[in-house]
Amino acid sequence: AAGVIQSPRHLIKEKRETATLKCYPIPRHDTVYWYQQGPGQDPQFLISFYEKMQSDKGSIPDRFSAQQFSDYHSELNMSSLELGDSALYFCASSLKRREGLGQPQHFGDGTRLSIL
Amino acid sequence: ELKVEQNPLFLSMQEGKNYTIYCNYSTTSDRLYWYRQDPGKSLESLFVLLSNGAVKQEGRLMASLDTKARLSTLHITAAVHDLSATYFCAVDLSTGNQFYFGTGTSLTVIP
Repeated sequence: AAGVIQSPRHLIKEKRETATLKCYPIPRHDTVYWYQQGPGQDPQFLISFYEKMQSDKGSIPDRFSAQQFSDYHSELNMSSLELGDSALYFCASSLKRREGLGQPQHFGDGTRLSIL
Repeated sequence: ELKVEQNPLFLSMQEGKNYTIYCNYSTTSDRLYWYRQDPGKSLESLFVLLSNGAVKQEGRLMASLDTKARLSTLHITAAVHDLSATYFCAVDLSTGNQFYFGTGTSLTVIP
């Protein structure tokens, strides 16, 4: 079965540079989520999109922005990178929850971002 | 803000033994999810619990949900080395689309 695809898998940047992470959700999934996971930490929610509109916003820094395109893929744009941005960035997708039904989020393999 | 806590944070157990991981959350929710994560890898969905009293089992793992106590448990029966991983519970609210993850339990099964 098709899974969530993220690219690149690894990315090395220097401070103050910019980075763009890409996410291709499972076909027919209409909701995309971005998470940041630091070493030994639990995933922290950044932002989500439903049907190409921003849905929820978590602890996403102002230096970061994201969008979902007409083909449902999403990009996380990160600017003025800092050392503390080094982390594993996950994208997940799901079907929009219907009332009373829970839909698990399906996670990609992540992008490991290292800031030098 | 919704808080999700797990205990223990670290668990080392011998093969063949049983143990339970606990997940407590701070506000009303009837949707709870368990995930497994191997080091540096993605999160794999294990269980989706959608109502009070829900119980699901897969192999040596069994998860349950008590929404009144705001508590979920992940029970491990006769542990084997392949179960070594970090286990996360996650809760979502009907008002939003985000998951609130627990602190994670790092499980090591010793032969």
